[in-house]
Amino acid sequence: EIVMTQSPATLSVSPGERATLSCRASQSVSSNLAWYQQKPGQAPRLLIYGASTRATGIPARFSGSGSGTEFTLTISSLQSEDFAVYYCQQYNNWPLTFGPGTKVDIK
Amino acid sequence: EVQLVESGGGLVQPGRSLRLSCAASGFTFDDYAMHWVRQAPGKGLEWVSGISWNSGSIGYADSVKGRFTISRDNAKNSLYLQMNSLRAEDTALYYCAKGAAAGGGTFDYWGQGTLVTVSS
Repeated sequence: EIVMTQSPATLSVSPGERATLSCRASQSVSSNLAWYQQKPGQAPRLLIYGASTRATGIPARFSGSGSGTEFTLTISSLQSEDFAVYYCQQYNNWPLTFGPGTKVDIK
Repeated sequence: EVQLVESGGGLVQPGRSLRLSCAASGFTFDDYAMHWVRQAPGKGLEWVSGISWNSGSIGYADSVKGRFTISRDNAKNSLYLQMNSLRAEDTALYYCAKGAAAGGGTFDYWGQGTLVTVSS
């Protein structure tokens, strides 16, 4: 099983600032990496797949990069609606696995 | 509009069984893989199981292998999860999720979840 780790666990950011979230895989997942956003009481929402392709309707302020074992999600200018928990997920191998999440909260 | 509506959750004693269902609408169900993903209270996401469009490919998390069985009925646009030998650690909100067309094993639509509580 591929183990996903995320850092930091919590990121405190002011609105308008840039946020950089990291995700690491225990072995190469090529570019088969997705990012999800989850707000309290809601189901997750797909943001990025293929490490860097935005899903339908996702604003351009969200961008993803990386390949192999190291990945980054960048939110260029945080809006109030972006404060949430973010999960990375690999889909290179079954079982599919998620990282533990990074909570982005208001500084 | 894509809709995924889960049902079948509830309170169940350890060792007992439960069957979850997911009713899908708003897309061509038999074109897509489907998955179950769970989230224990206050915890992160855990993929439970997935099934290809024609049921030809099925996978499970190690934590449920041998106890849970995923299935689908394309004629009824429905996904199922048979959960046997339930344990306290299976307590979670269970989401039904649609496999994305692009991005293979990703999930582009989710239901609102059905809560399973395993307790005596």
